[in-house]
Amino acid sequence: QKEVEQDPGPLSVPEGAIVSLNCTYSNSAFQYFMWYRQYSRKGPELLMYTYSSGNKEDGRFTAQVDKSSKYISLFIRDSQPSDSATYLCAMSARSGGGNKLTFGTGTQLKVEL
Amino acid sequence: DADVTQTPRNRITKTGKRIMLECSQTKGHDRMYWYRQDPGLGLQLIYYSFDVKDINKGEISDGYSVSRQAQAKFSLSLESAIPNQTALYFCATSDFSGELFFGEGSRLTVL
Repeated sequence: QKEVEQDPGPLSVPEGAIVSLNCTYSNSAFQYFMWYRQYSRKGPELLMYTYSSGNKEDGRFTAQVDKSSKYISLFIRDSQPSDSATYLCAMSARSGGGNKLTFGTGTQLKVEL
Repeated sequence: DADVTQTPRNRITKTGKRIMLECSQTKGHDRMYWYRQDPGLGLQLIYYSFDVKDINKGEISDGYSVSRQAQAKFSLSLESAIPNQTALYFCATSDFSGELFFGEGSRLTVL
């Protein structure tokens, strides 16, 4: 079993829909949780960063962490065609070390007009 | 210009050939990384370096080597390429916060 599980999709939604992207994990030591967005033929870029449990909101994006269930989510409100990308979750037990990150496999999202 | 530049962007080679992928950065970060991305496997860390004199193996270093020529340059070598090294390779940098800044990737095909 992988340490981080992520549904690969593809997930196709109409413009304006609310999107929910999810990851589950097995390592209870994970405390730092990230979402990276990767456009086609590009490298991933950091979208959201949260520590421990709770919610964090940034514009149309909300990251949610439920450590008791070992489950994290990224919600996208009023989705736009420009949100079409692959979304990677990543997590670590310690801060500051890119070498300590465990990535999910990514969920491919397509937002259609 | 991109902050993290990878060359070449695409390369097709044959089994047994030596290949070098190069990475340079203008972000001024000390920490540099090489990742490999495969469908269904996500990003896997090959090697990382926290400064010019520091080189560390990641989770999948077998068959690869690296060289940190300067703070801004970190190259990945495949001494004798094999078909299962066909993948998308990413260089990344970070500062102490750990946020990764990725290059645009180098797509390698080994025939």
